[in-house]
Amino acid sequence: TQLLEQSPQFLSIQEGENLTVYCNSSSVFSSLQWYRQEPGEGPVLLVTVVTGGEVKKLKRLTFQFGDARKDSSLHITAAQPGDTGLYLCAGARGNKLVFGAGTILRVKS
Amino acid sequence: KAGVTQTPRYLIKTRGQQVTLSCSPISGHRSVSWYQQTPGQGLQFLFEYFSETQRNKGNFPGRFSGRQFSNSRSEMNVSTLELGDSALYLCASSPALRTENTEAFFGQGTRLTVV
Repeated sequence: TQLLEQSPQFLSIQEGENLTVYCNSSSVFSSLQWYRQEPGEGPVLLVTVVTGGEVKKLKRLTFQFGDARKDSSLHITAAQPGDTGLYLCAGARGNKLVFGAGTILRVKS
Repeated sequence: KAGVTQTPRYLIKTRGQQVTLSCSPISGHRSVSWYQQTPGQGLQFLFEYFSETQRNKGNFPGRFSGRQFSNSRSEMNVSTLELGDSALYLCASSPALRTENTEAFFGQGTRLTVV
């Protein structure tokens, strides 16, 4: 059983569409990070959210941390083929990072 | 500034053999963490080293071990390899011992295949 559940597992959309990826847990995390991983590469950090209810924007990407700090979402506006990859959320439990299983996103041109 | 370097990139080993993977962190970073990534289990934390000492450990059997040298480079060893050890092994470095908001910088990983 994953401590962090990500949904959906797979997402295949057309260029220009919007999408949301979810990361849910029954546990509280002191912070939550989102990473993107491309084939053959290691994960690259996109953002860290710390405060319950926090919203951060990174160009077309919007990240939200739930009020109770148990869940988070990543919304991509007008997806582009370059957004294709594995999106991972990771929760901080003390000094350990716990990762979700990830969402594989494919954006078709 | 060079990123995290892992060697080798690819490795094929036979069941029962042992393997050593290497990780050179970003210059100045003193913490190195190791993760195993598989399609079924995702990213699983193995252990973290800081100042040549193991500071945290995940739920892996004793066949998985590691060490860190005085220059912060780290090695991970897996003995008596099993087919289920086939995975992408990722190393991540951080400036200091991980805290809640520490960013981890990942290497490209070593793809280990056990046959």
